[in-house]
Amino acid sequence: GNSVTQMEGPVTLSEEAFLTINCTYTATGYPSLFWYVQYPGEGLQLLLKATKADDKGSNKGFEATYRKETTSFHLEKGSVQVSDSAVYFCALRGGSARQLTFGSGTQLTVLP
Amino acid sequence: NAGVTQTPKFQVLKTGQSMTLQCAQDMNHNSMYWYRQDPGMGLRLIYYSASEGTTDKGEVPNGYNVSRLNKREFSLRLESAAPSQTSVYFCASRAWTERQETQYFGPGTRLLVL
Repeated sequence: GNSVTQMEGPVTLSEEAFLTINCTYTATGYPSLFWYVQYPGEGLQLLLKATKADDKGSNKGFEATYRKETTSFHLEKGSVQVSDSAVYFCALRGGSARQLTFGSGTQLTVLP
Repeated sequence: NAGVTQTPKFQVLKTGQSMTLQCAQDMNHNSMYWYRQDPGMGLRLIYYSASEGTTDKGEVPNGYNVSRLNKREFSLRLESAAPSQTSVYFCASRAWTERQETQYFGPGTRLLVL
């Protein structure tokens, strides 16, 4: 079956530091990959997505590249801000599946 | 355009009580979902509805029932609540355009079962 593995948190960084949150997946076929963000007290919001190998999703300074050879979709940002503090979820939708499979989430705290 | 709305925001139940969590979306989406979120486990799918009149079990359906009342509304019912159902519940709907999809989530319902 499909599964998503994320690096465990929590992750604490200083403002303007470089961020990487690792995500690897197991799926049959060619899944679509997503990063969702959850700010405190809110529901999840789509951050970025990629639907085929070597695609790069980007939004709000965040980027992730769909790497089929390493089955990875790592999230990166060159310079984090305090407002980026949130929980980040990696997710996939495999083949004809109608539902998403989520990773366990990574809590990011950015200190001023 | 309110997106996905959920009620209530917070609920405390005693073991054995029943309740219904309400969800509505005003984006004319066909697919709707119920997830539960537990610490260290991400989101797990309880039930989903691909279209009005259809529902299917997800990963963790036991102890829950759902009703897709119409295209807008998708409710989740706990007939006899158990402490293991203490969780945060999220409803979502899915947009599908140009072969790309996005799920939109509600703000969540925090449920505590004593």
